[in-house]
Amino acid sequence: EPEVTQTPSHQVTQMGQEVILRCVPISNHLYFYWYRQILGQKVEFLVSFYNNEISEKSEIFDDQFSVERPDGSNFTLKIRSTKLEDSAMYFCASRPTSGVLGETQYFGPGTRLLVL
Amino acid sequence: SQQGEEDPQALSIQEGENATMNCSYKTSINNLQWYRQNSGRGLVHLILIRSNEREKHSGRLRVTLDTSKKSSSLLITASRAADTASYFCVGGSEKLVFGKGTKLTVNP
Repeated sequence: EPEVTQTPSHQVTQMGQEVILRCVPISNHLYFYWYRQILGQKVEFLVSFYNNEISEKSEIFDDQFSVERPDGSNFTLKIRSTKLEDSAMYFCASRPTSGVLGETQYFGPGTRLLVL
Repeated sequence: SQQGEEDPQALSIQEGENATMNCSYKTSINNLQWYRQNSGRGLVHLILIRSNEREKHSGRLRVTLDTSKKSSSLLITASRAADTASYFCVGGSEKLVFGKGTKLTVNP
């Protein structure tokens, strides 16, 4: 069964460094999302992406964050200058545009980011 | 999308027992979905119920939806230790808004 994959599974970085989190959505999906979950807290929406542009973004998704679909398979989240409070699990999700399964977002296993 | 509020916050049962979790939401929805999250891991989609459906089954899962009361319930029958996880309900399909979930512990 097709799955959303994410790399790396864990990333440790120094404050102020740039990080790129990578996701490979399910191949026929066209809507893409990033969420994050700070340890012990709720899962929070960051951004949605469709047709090569951001559809919606949350207050968390400030100028330090950007997303890109550099090719036909990858979807990336970049944090330009990481802060301690960016430490969290980051989840990518995707969904198809239509059909019975079109309403469901499928999540990847996450990337645990630790900013020191 | 719509945040659901799950109740209870925590539930501890013995293997083989049934587990029932409830969800309430505030405004009208087109669908309601349940997700599971094992500790520190990704979210797994369990089941989706549409606003014109009252009940849906999938394996050991049974979901009900009462749009007049703006509530849903998730029943897991014959629970297993592997069902230990947090369970979330969310309304809609776009920007998903997650609550605190119900933390289910199934003791062997």
